[in-house]
Amino acid sequence: SQQGEEDPQALSIQEGENATMNCSYKTSINNLQWYRQNSGRGLVHLILIRSNEREKHSGRLRVTLDTSKKSSSLLITASRAADTASYFCATALIPRTYKYIFGTGTRLKVLA
Amino acid sequence: ETGVTQSPTHLIKTRGQQVTLRCSSQSGHNTVSWYQQALGQGPQFIFQYYREEENGRGNFPPRFSGLQFPNYSSELNVNALELDDSALYLCASSLGGDGNTIYFGEGSWLTVV
Repeated sequence: SQQGEEDPQALSIQEGENATMNCSYKTSINNLQWYRQNSGRGLVHLILIRSNEREKHSGRLRVTLDTSKKSSSLLITASRAADTASYFCATALIPRTYKYIFGTGTRLKVLA
Repeated sequence: ETGVTQSPTHLIKTRGQQVTLRCSSQSGHNTVSWYQQALGQGPQFIFQYYREEENGRGNFPPRFSGLQFPNYSSELNVNALELDDSALYLCASSLGGDGNTIYFGEGSWLTVV
């Protein structure tokens, strides 16, 4: 089974609303990253959060990490139609931190 | 843009053939990783190269092989192509291989018929 699982699998919201996506993982991690992927294209790095951090912000993005629950969340505030994409979490495991494990992603659709 | 470039962007191969995909990493990055992403799935780790040596490998058979060159660019070679090899192949570069941010290229779409 997957190391990282995003939830929900799909999310549809109106422009201006907030979108929250969750990621759960199974084993100890060095860090966790969130990526965005527009249809059929490469992944765009959003945020990296290390295992000793609890929260990070970048513009309209807020990521939290709870290592006791082995979970992370990505919040996109004031969403825009351009935020429509798939969002993935990727975990770097301890050991083998060279290898990132991706979940199956959350497909976000923002309606104008 | 990430500064990671891949070629070709799309290609079609016949089952049993061989394919080479290429990647130029972001300037200053000495580590390249390759991922396979099937339709509707997340990327799966194939292997990583650090300073021209393989630094780790995922659950892919030996017909998936790679190279990293002194300028840190990289190739992914797949022999004896199978239909299930049809996927988006992503190259990612980073500075060091130990859990640092990885930056992806746009990928190469491979279709095996």
